[in-house]
Amino acid sequence: NAGVTQTPKFQVLKTGQSMTLQCAQDMNHEYMSWYRQDPGMGLRLIHYSVGAGITDQGEVPNGYNVSRSTTEDFPLRLLSAAPSQTSVYFCASKRTGASEAFFGQGTRLTVV
Amino acid sequence: GDSVTQMEGPVTLSEEAFLTINCTYTATGYPSLFWYVQYPGEGLQLLLKATKADDKGSNKGFEATYRKETTSFHLEKGSVQVSDSAVYFCALSFTGNQFYFGTGTSLTVIP
Repeated sequence: NAGVTQTPKFQVLKTGQSMTLQCAQDMNHEYMSWYRQDPGMGLRLIHYSVGAGITDQGEVPNGYNVSRSTTEDFPLRLLSAAPSQTSVYFCASKRTGASEAFFGQGTRLTVV
Repeated sequence: GDSVTQMEGPVTLSEEAFLTINCTYTATGYPSLFWYVQYPGEGLQLLLKATKADDKGSNKGFEATYRKETTSFHLEKGSVQVSDSAVYFCALSFTGNQFYFGTGTSLTVIP
């Protein structure tokens, strides 16, 4: 059982480039989310989805887009990367109504 | 707004020492409380949780009690091991759709 899989694990981007961080889960969880982890700030919610076709903003959504066309996948798009988006990104999923979330291993993104 | 404050790290302990990591929260209402652990190079894993006041969560020798009167959820372990070295995050959630995490406390246990 793979759980939550994130790709890539590491990425370096130049300012202004675009890219998509991939997240896939095989647990048939309705709820998926993206967090960023920055030193001294813990994890902050970027976007989340409660099911296919439904997304909503979290605490720090600016500069990021998401879509949810299938239950399994929840990609995070950076349209024009900025150095302020240098961070570690975590995807998480859980069953609706459950309290426990399952996290991927993270993507370390550096924008230069 | 809702938030979590946990003790600053890093924390370094000798094997078999007693561990306490303090966590307090601010919330309008009564959230569920969690401790997540992040081992080196891995994502976060749920360590334990409590969903109402006076509940005690426990797992792998770790314990935390939901204290409404002091708005706290301190993590404790009686005898730490080298394998407990990790970053520990306290978090709260009302609906499960958004977690509010503390800044994390890094623990290193030395033999």
